[in-house]
Amino acid sequence: GENVEQHPSTLSVQEGDSAVIKCTYSDSASNYFPWYKQELGKRPQLIIDIRSNVGEKKDQRIAVTLNKTAKHFSLHITETQPEDSAVYFCAASLGTGFQKLVFGTGTRLLVSP
Amino acid sequence: GAVVSQHPSRVICKSGTSVKIECRSLDFQATTMFWYRQFPKQSLMLMATSNEGSKATYEQGVEKDKFLINHASLTLSTLTVTSAHPEDSSFYICSGILAGGSPDTQYFGPGTRLTVL
Repeated sequence: GENVEQHPSTLSVQEGDSAVIKCTYSDSASNYFPWYKQELGKRPQLIIDIRSNVGEKKDQRIAVTLNKTAKHFSLHITETQPEDSAVYFCAASLGTGFQKLVFGTGTRLLVSP
Repeated sequence: GAVVSQHPSRVICKSGTSVKIECRSLDFQATTMFWYRQFPKQSLMLMATSNEGSKATYEQGVEKDKFLINHASLTLSTLTVTSAHPEDSSFYICSGILAGGSPDTQYFGPGTRLTVL
């Protein structure tokens, strides 16, 4: 089955710095890779996603890159702000049709003012 | 759009009782819903896939007789934790996939925090 590894588990940055979170996956058939932001006790919120036919996608301060050959994808947040502090999860799709997601272990991001 | 609600938001029950959690897609039809469990400081673990009008598909290690799932309509799926015990205490989150939309984008509910005394 699919296995998704995520690093680092915690990340502390100063406001304005960039943050990078990396994930690797094992199933070469995976073709959908969303990133979620979860604040304490709240639902996961989709912040950006990428499909396997694209290598990079950007939405304002957030970007995701995908390397299918190496089976890894990364989340890049630029000009971080304190409100970016949360737990971030990567995920990779599994199966066909309505696809299940396998989640990474999460990264706790702390942005200090 | 694509809003999912859950009820209740939190529940405390005594060991041995059963608890029902509802997951509703408020403004869309969801042919498929997923149920996840999240323990403190851990990731989301898929429990089961719920398809409208058919039996749920459970992930390995999840007891189907303990976690009863019913997906009676295109907007409602329920998870019943039967004979709950303290180790079932967790954050339960559902998600739905928009019928006719992207087949892989999941819209998450706000979660239900279950505490079993």
